[in-house]
Amino acid sequence: NAGVTQTPKFRILKIGQSMTLQCTQDMNHNYMYWYRQDPGMGLKLIYYSVGAGITDKGEVPNGYNVSRSTTEDFPLRLELAAPSQTSVYFCASSPQQGLRSTYEQYFGPGTRLTVT
Amino acid sequence: GENVEQHPSTLSVQEGDSAVIKCTYSDSASNYFPWYKQELGKRPQLIIDIRSNVGEKKDQRIAVTLNKTAKHFSLHITETQPEDSAVYFCAASWTGTSGSRLTFGEGTQLTVNP
Repeated sequence: NAGVTQTPKFRILKIGQSMTLQCTQDMNHNYMYWYRQDPGMGLKLIYYSVGAGITDKGEVPNGYNVSRSTTEDFPLRLELAAPSQTSVYFCASSPQQGLRSTYEQYFGPGTRLTVT
Repeated sequence: GENVEQHPSTLSVQEGDSAVIKCTYSDSASNYFPWYKQELGKRPQLIIDIRSNVGEKKDQRIAVTLNKTAKHFSLHITETQPEDSAVYFCAASWTGTSGSRLTFGEGTQLTVNP
């Protein structure tokens, strides 16, 4: 069981470039999340998904897009990268079932992104 | 949505002392309150959680208390050790039309001095 994996570990982008951050989990979890963590700050939710084909915005979705075609994968797309998107990005998954239940979130190792 | 406030932002204690971190939340419907520990350069990892039908939970040197009426919960670490030094985040669940998610506090940097 690899848990939640993310690629790449590090990336430097130029302003205006695009990229996709990959996230995969092998625990058959329904819920998946994308967070960003700015230096010295907490985790802010970008997007989340309650299952394949279903996604919704979190607190800070602007400048990002997601898709969820399979249970395992939840890629995050950055279009037209800006310096404000410099951050550490964490993907997480959770085994919760139903709309109201809440369970532990398991985090990936993170992707450190710098936009210059 | 949910709003979570966490205090203090930094906490320095001597080895062996106790440490207490406090959080307040705004949504009275929140029903799940986890605490995560994040070491420098690492991912957040769950250390303890509590649900709204329980007032206190303990796991060895770590305990969490929940006061639903006042909408606050606290993390207690006893007999602190240098390896407890890390950033600790509280979170509270929030349920919208698309399912449940967590809102995190801004974190507490705990330093345990040997």
